[in-house]
Amino acid sequence: QITLKESGPTLVKPTQTLTLTCTFSGFSLNTHGVGVGWVRQPPGKALQWLTHIYWDDDKRYSPSLKDRLTITKDSSRNQVVLTMTDMDPVDTGTYFCVRRLPPINGFDSWGQGTLVAVSS
Amino acid sequence: EIVLTQSPGTLSLSPGDRATLSCRASQSFFSSFLAWYQQRHGQAPRLLIYGSSNRAAGVPDRFSGSGSGSNYTLTISRLEPEDCAMYYCQQHGTSIIFGPGTRLEIK
Repeated sequence: QITLKESGPTLVKPTQTLTLTCTFSGFSLNTHGVGVGWVRQPPGKALQWLTHIYWDDDKRYSPSLKDRLTITKDSSRNQVVLTMTDMDPVDTGTYFCVRRLPPINGFDSWGQGTLVAVSS
Repeated sequence: EIVLTQSPGTLSLSPGDRATLSCRASQSFFSSFLAWYQQRHGQAPRLLIYGSSNRAAGVPDRFSGSGSGSNYTLTISRLEPEDCAMYYCQQHGTSIIFGPGTRLEIK
């Protein structure tokens, strides 16, 4: 069974750095082609892809946010960590951890999401 | 960067009807990079269709996808109450883009 679970703070202050951890099970990030990433969703709004890291440590970032994002992996612990700097109230939303399993061009598994509020 | 537009914004249909949801891109791309997701209220999204027309595991055959170039369609036949949800298209290339979504209401 594939599971992904997000963890991290529910509230951060403006200008702070957000750190979220995705802990997954049922697959390995050492498997050729596999990727794990992050998608967010402001309340009542559409999905927005943030970043992805692949089995070979290839990293992709949303062009509009790449200067604020860092993604890393610890394959031995089945974890992927997202950091987002200089948080702003517009960054409030639910952050989902997702998996990509080739040859599917899409996210076939999602975490339940974690709601992060940015407020002073 | 590709921009995806979905129409209609909201679709209100009755059980048993057929729903046709459109996704148009600002430029053409390979159909293998087009996916559709369903998001019920309060839940995480669920992959429905990948590669424009391939159903994901466990997705009923009432859901079908088609299209190429810059025009893609998700069709849901024989609507059921549980199909009430937001539907998003996604271009899954080097950069990954989601459309704004279509809200499907079941009367």
